[in-house]
Amino acid sequence: SAVISQKPSRDICQRGTSLTIQCQVDSQVTMMFWYRQQPGQSLTLIATANQGSEATYESGFVIDKFPISRPNLTFSTLTVSNMSPEDSSIYLCSALEPHQETQYFGPGTRLLVL
Amino acid sequence: DAKTTQPPSMDCAEGRAANLPCNHSTISGNEYVYWYRQIHSQGPQYIIHGLKNNETNEMASLIITEDRKSSTLILPHATLRDTAVYYCIVRPYSSNTGKLIFGQGTTLQVKP
Repeated sequence: SAVISQKPSRDICQRGTSLTIQCQVDSQVTMMFWYRQQPGQSLTLIATANQGSEATYESGFVIDKFPISRPNLTFSTLTVSNMSPEDSSIYLCSALEPHQETQYFGPGTRLLVL
Repeated sequence: DAKTTQPPSMDCAEGRAANLPCNHSTISGNEYVYWYRQIHSQGPQYIIHGLKNNETNEMASLIITEDRKSSTLILPHATLRDTAVYYCIVRPYSSNTGKLIFGQGTTLQVKP
């Protein structure tokens, strides 16, 4: 199975600032995804990170707030822009391996916005 | 994607089998049943998936009813480390629709 790492593992940020989260996979994957998990809640899909093209966002999420890059088949970034305390969550990256049809998850980035 | 229904919480005694039910009455023919779990403060962990036949791996067994409208995840000998939130998810088995949509899951508490 793919091994996924995220940086940073946690951060405390001031409102109005932006944070970029990195996701690195140890093998080439077909699809990468970004999820948000608010305190005490389940995971919510933010977007699908498409290699070489713009990300596909789910309802309620927009590119201006959560810009995503995916420059190659093993790496993606999610930026949380103009943060407010409501953005305090765990942000999780996941990836789907070619021909495996099983999605694997990174350890998450715990963000606290003050 | 089909919706799933799971009990919000369950308890299980350590060393006993944990049986976690899931209803997916609107599942369609091309949708598989996936199970993940999330141990506190970690990313979700894949457990098992299946279409219509029962499946078993080193972690668990998956029993799917003949009409495919419900399934049960079985942890044969639960340990304290199996305490987690368990998610039952249905999705098409296609690389073009890889996204997983999570419900609220079942919080399993394994007790000594």
